[in-house]
Amino acid sequence: AQSVTQLDSQVPVFEEAPVELRCNYSSSVSVYLFWYVQYPNQGLQLLLKYLSGSTLVKGINGFEAEFNKSQTSFHLRKPSVHISDTAEYFCAAPPRSGGSNYKLTFGKGTLLTVNP
Amino acid sequence: DTAVSQTPKYLVTQMGNDKSIKCEQNLGHDTMYWYKQDSKKFLKIMFSYNNKELIINETVPNRFSPKSPDKAHLNLHINSLELGDSAVYFCASSQSPLNEQFFGPGTRLTVL
Repeated sequence: AQSVTQLDSQVPVFEEAPVELRCNYSSSVSVYLFWYVQYPNQGLQLLLKYLSGSTLVKGINGFEAEFNKSQTSFHLRKPSVHISDTAEYFCAAPPRSGGSNYKLTFGKGTLLTVNP
Repeated sequence: DTAVSQTPKYLVTQMGNDKSIKCEQNLGHDTMYWYKQDSKKFLKIMFSYNNKELIINETVPNRFSPKSPDKAHLNLHINSLELGDSAVYFCASSQSPLNEQFFGPGTRLTVL
């Protein structure tokens, strides 16, 4: 089973609409969870991360994510998107075992397209 | 100042050639990585070095050889290039495993 699953490969929305990008994780990964964003023709940059503590994590550019242990989810949300949010979004986590926290497993990505 | 830089940005070459991609980070990080992103945007780790020591070596053909001359540099050499090697290769670095990884701008490799 895939260790980090992004359920939607593409999410089209209109500008100023709310958006939720879904991410579920399996027991094979640790509960250190990350969201990265990749703008067109650029490298990835960190949006936010959950390591411990409050389950609601706030990130850059108005994004937030909620860690939900019972549903094994870490969905990303923004209440009102801008055209400039159009990008590929990746959920990621290191494996639970083996002490190899150096290795992040990435989901397959969700392309968020914000239309005017 | 660029945090993680890669050269070249674009690389077009013929099958069978040998090529190198260079990566440098000026963040003082201990850990560096190479990732491959295919045409479907799937991102997969290839190698990771911590303090110049190889700590992750995924199932990558041995035509790919990373080299870390010092903590700030992690280069990727590819021998006998194949069509399937065409992809975008990203270098990244982090201070520690659970900290943010900083990515370079990527090198788009096209093998003809």
